[in-house]
Amino acid sequence: AQSVTQLGSHVSVSEGALVLLRCNYSSSVPPYLFWYVQYPNQGLQLLLKYTSAATLVKGINGFEAEFKKSETSFHLTKPSAHMSDAAEYFCAVSLMDTGRRALTFGSGTRLQVQP
Amino acid sequence: NAGVTQTPKFQVLKTGQSMTLQCAQDMNHNSMYWYRQDPGMGLRLIYYSASEGTTDKGEVPNGYNVSRLNKREFSLRLESAAPSQTSVYFCASTAGETLGTDTQYFGPGTRLTVL
Repeated sequence: AQSVTQLGSHVSVSEGALVLLRCNYSSSVPPYLFWYVQYPNQGLQLLLKYTSAATLVKGINGFEAEFKKSETSFHLTKPSAHMSDAAEYFCAVSLMDTGRRALTFGSGTRLQVQP
Repeated sequence: NAGVTQTPKFQVLKTGQSMTLQCAQDMNHNSMYWYRQDPGMGLRLIYYSASEGTTDKGEVPNGYNVSRLNKREFSLRLESAAPSQTSVYFCASTAGETLGTDTQYFGPGTRLTVL
């Protein structure tokens, strides 16, 4: 069963516009949630993570995400897009699975920033 | 401090050939991971090693073997490569031993093509 869904494989915004990348998870227990970014031809790097502390999590490069338990969502936002934000973004969820934790990545959302 | 390094960066194999992907980290991390990344599928865990001397299967282990040579090094071996193993392979490491709670640090990846 898929435990994390990213809506929209491609998102395009204008420079200076709001960035909203959607992530929903399925879990009956509190998860740990992560957003990673992958720039072209590079490995992934952590943007931010939620580990059951504050529901609004601030990350690097002006990104933030809000954990909403009622909506089982962890959407990533940035008020004003910059050209350097163009990359692929992955949501990941850590859940207990048959007695041990498993980390599952979403399929990714490619963000394009138009000048 | 190089972080996580992977060799080679690129490799082309013929069906049936074998090869070993190398990974090393210099952060004194306990856990190391091998993922494969395929278009539209995010990252899928192949194997992981929670600590030196232990290895465990992930989501897609068939056709692969691993060795945790020491605390620094974690290699991935393809004994008889198949075209379905064409992918980008990422190595990652975390400080802790519990899968899915710590920040993962990724290497730059190995692009493997199997003809």
